[in-house]
Amino acid sequence: DAKTTQPPSMDCAEGRAANLPCNHSTISGNEYVYWYRQIHSQGPQYIIHGLKNNETNEMASLIITEDRKSSTLILPHATLRDTAVYYCIVRANDYKLSFGAGTTVTVRA
Amino acid sequence: GAVVSQHPSWVICKSGTSVKIECRSLDFQATTMFWYRQFPKQSLMLMATSNEGSKATYEQGVEKDKFLINHASLTLSTLTVTSAHPEDSSFYICSASRLALSSYEQYFGPGTRLTVT
Repeated sequence: DAKTTQPPSMDCAEGRAANLPCNHSTISGNEYVYWYRQIHSQGPQYIIHGLKNNETNEMASLIITEDRKSSTLILPHATLRDTAVYYCIVRANDYKLSFGAGTTVTVRA
Repeated sequence: GAVVSQHPSWVICKSGTSVKIECRSLDFQATTMFWYRQFPKQSLMLMATSNEGSKATYEQGVEKDKFLINHASLTLSTLTVTSAHPEDSSFYICSASRLALSSYEQYFGPGTRLTVT
């Protein structure tokens, strides 16, 4: 699987959009970009995934650059409950997920 | 939809005993299930991948005779930690994979905290 690079931590204000970057410059053509988050002492929660096109669901939006070497997860209106570790993972379809260190996001009131 | 449960949510056992952890996909049939381990302040580490009716594939460094995985059906996988020792104390998390449209989504259970005394 391609490696990803994420900032170790970031703060954001409650009610504002949170933009989480991820670099995956060695991504292959058949690899998807997945985002998960893990709230303390819980199992990871699936957020969103995409291949080439931008994606949006009820939780977030995923913006993938045209060359697919980086992506941004956008939480449109961060709440205190969004405080978690966010993992950006790239993998081929139905392959195992390899978790890196992720980004610790702290939403402040 | 796509709910994965684990039982128990926490367990304390004595050194030398065995502990079984169950992972169930409640509302879908999982093609593949995965087992992870997470130590404090660390990321998840994949231990093994299992498909229903076949032997699990273990990651490098994971002892298959110590961590027994049984995947008896499309909705149930079990992890048995045999002859547990204090260093096996960890947060064990399973996940189940489901085909959605053209790609696979992986859903995680809530985790089981194992403490070996």
